This record gives sequence, C-alpha cells and structure tokens, in this order.
Amino acid sequence: DVKVTQSSRYLVKRTGEKVFLECVQDMDHENMFWYRQDPGLGLRLIYFSYDVKMKEKGDIPEGYSVSREKKERFSLILESASTNQTSMYLCASSLRGNSGANVLTFGAGSRLTVL
Amino acid sequence: AQSVTQLGSHVSVSEGALVLLRCNYSSSVPPYLFWYVQYPNQGLQLLLKYTSAATLVKGINGFEAEFKKSETSFHLTKPSAHMSDAAEYFCAVSVPIQGAQKLVFGQGTRLTINP
Repeated sequence: DVKVTQSSRYLVKRTGEKVFLECVQDMDHENMFWYRQDPGLGLRLIYFSYDVKMKEKGDIPEGYSVSREKKERFSLILESASTNQTSMYLCASSLRGNSGANVLTFGAGSRLTVL
Repeated sequence: AQSVTQLGSHVSVSEGALVLLRCNYSSSVPPYLFWYVQYPNQGLQLLLKYTSAATLVKGINGFEAEFKKSETSFHLTKPSAHMSDAAEYFCAVSVPIQGAQKLVFGQGTRLTINP
C-alpha cells in the first residue's frame, strides 16, 4: 500500500511565524498535492507538483509556497502564518499522468492552529 | 467548470437502517467520480470510484454508488448502517490540470449512526 506520511499531526504556532509542513510518500508517485480542509468547504487545492522541482498553483495558493527537491518529499511553507490559516492540511500523491481514474492517496493530515 | 454538490451536511440514521448520501455533479465531459471517507482524526480513504466501466460501483465496507447520467448524480448507499460507519464522507470529481489530475471535492456529509 502507498503510504503518505505527514510528520506533524498537530502544530500550534504564533502569528508571523514561518511554518513548514512536511509530507513524504514511499511509492514513487510523481504527483503530489497539498489540500486545505475547512468545515463546510470540503477540501481545496493549495499547490501541486507533477515532478521534482516543478510546482503549480492550485485554487487557493495565496499565503503559501511549496518545495519539492526530492521525488518523495513535498513541503508546504507558510512564510508568515496568520490566524486565517488555522486549518487541517492534507497531503496526497498519485501516479503520473492525466488519467482521471488515478487515485489520490492521502496522509493523515496536519492540524495547524495559529494564535 | 467541473464540480460536485453534496446535499445535506449532516445525515443521521439508526443502526441497521439504509444509508443514502447524495452527490450531484456538473461536468461537460464524462466524469470520473469518487467517494472518500474520513474517520475522526484520520486522512481520507477511498471508498469507491466511477470510471465509466459500470454504472453501479461497489466499494469497501458494503458501500456502493450508482452513476445516473440523466440525473447527474452519484449517490452513495449502504443497505444496513453500522456504528463503525460514523464518519465524514466526501464526493469528488477528477479535473485535468497541468500534467496531472486534481480532485474537486464537495462540502462533505457527516454521517451519524444512532444506536
């Protein structure tokens, strides 16, 4: 089974701090994604990457950046955390290509609270 | 733009009763559709997916969904609810993006099972 591991399950940060959320997958998937989950809004795509060093903006990229230096690792960065970034963050990965049938496999999530 | 709408943010059923979670999609092309489940404090797990091979799709844990093009629906059902089915359920449609496919999610439906 594909495993997607998010190293930090719960984080509490202060406004203005720089925050790193790390995600590692172990099945050689080319595509990786960062979603944000909020009650009543479902999941919304922040950024995705289809290859090492490649990144594309999703639907809500403002206030975030990403890094993909290795195929298995995809990091989400909050340069200056704000209270409206308090949320659950979910990482996912999938195989290469644009087949609509490709399944996204999700990590357990990182719940971030910004005070 | 492709999207999904889940009718009902909360559904409550008795143990042993039929579970029906509603999802309607909007798509100008034949869609790929998914149902995911999220148990408390966990990531999303794939329940089932529709890829046009068959209109009735069977998934894990006794769930199934029927694709109805005329109604643009992909409702999730289970004949007899179990206490362990209590979770949040998300319907999603696959949308092509740069070199990959992303999932666009509905708002989610929280299922409560009454003893």
